[in-house]
Amino acid sequence: AAGVIQSPRHLIKEKRETATLKCYPIPRHDTVYWYQQGPGQDPQFLISFYEKMQSDKGSIPDRFSAQQFSDYHSELNMSSLELGDSALYFCASRKRTSNADTQYFGPGTRLTVL
Amino acid sequence: AQTVTQSQPEMSVQEAETVTLSCTYDTSENNYYLFWYKQPPSRQMILVIRQEAYKQQNATENRFSVNFQKAAKSFSLKISDSQLGDTAMYFCAFMKPWGYGGSQGNLIFGKGTKLSVKP
Repeated sequence: AAGVIQSPRHLIKEKRETATLKCYPIPRHDTVYWYQQGPGQDPQFLISFYEKMQSDKGSIPDRFSAQQFSDYHSELNMSSLELGDSALYFCASRKRTSNADTQYFGPGTRLTVL
Repeated sequence: AQTVTQSQPEMSVQEAETVTLSCTYDTSENNYYLFWYKQPPSRQMILVIRQEAYKQQNATENRFSVNFQKAAKSFSLKISDSQLGDTAMYFCAFMKPWGYGGSQGNLIFGKGTKLSVKP
């Protein structure tokens, strides 16, 4: 079965640089969630999209923005990177009309800010 | 706001034995979902088991089962016949259904329990 795809898997950036993370949900899934997991921490919800519209925001810094495109893939754009942005970024997808209410996670993008 | 508490930062168990991981949560909602996710050293988030709050029957998935006590707001995970591959961080998570009380279905995680299975 197809899974959630995230790219790149690893990313190294310098402080103050910009990064773009991509997420390709499971086919026919219409909802995407982004989570940030710092070292030794639990995942924290950042932002979600349903049918290409932002549906909810969590603890996402103003330096970050995201969008969902017509093919349902999503991109998380991160600017003016700080050392504290070093983390594992997960994307998860689900099909809103399903009764399962289960999110399926991608493998994550490990971002290192030097 | 909902909170999820895992009071055991680390646990260990001998291979083939049984271990129980604890999770409590706080919510004023009546309808919600609870999950256990496993995160092995690869850092992949793997769904272990899910429980719907309106179902009284405890969920089971092979060697994994839960003890869901709704009144006590407790959701523990029991792993039977522990295997070396069960070594991982385990996260308990809470979710309100989409559209319920304005929820968009994001997960709220506990801090996790690091489980080590010893040979």
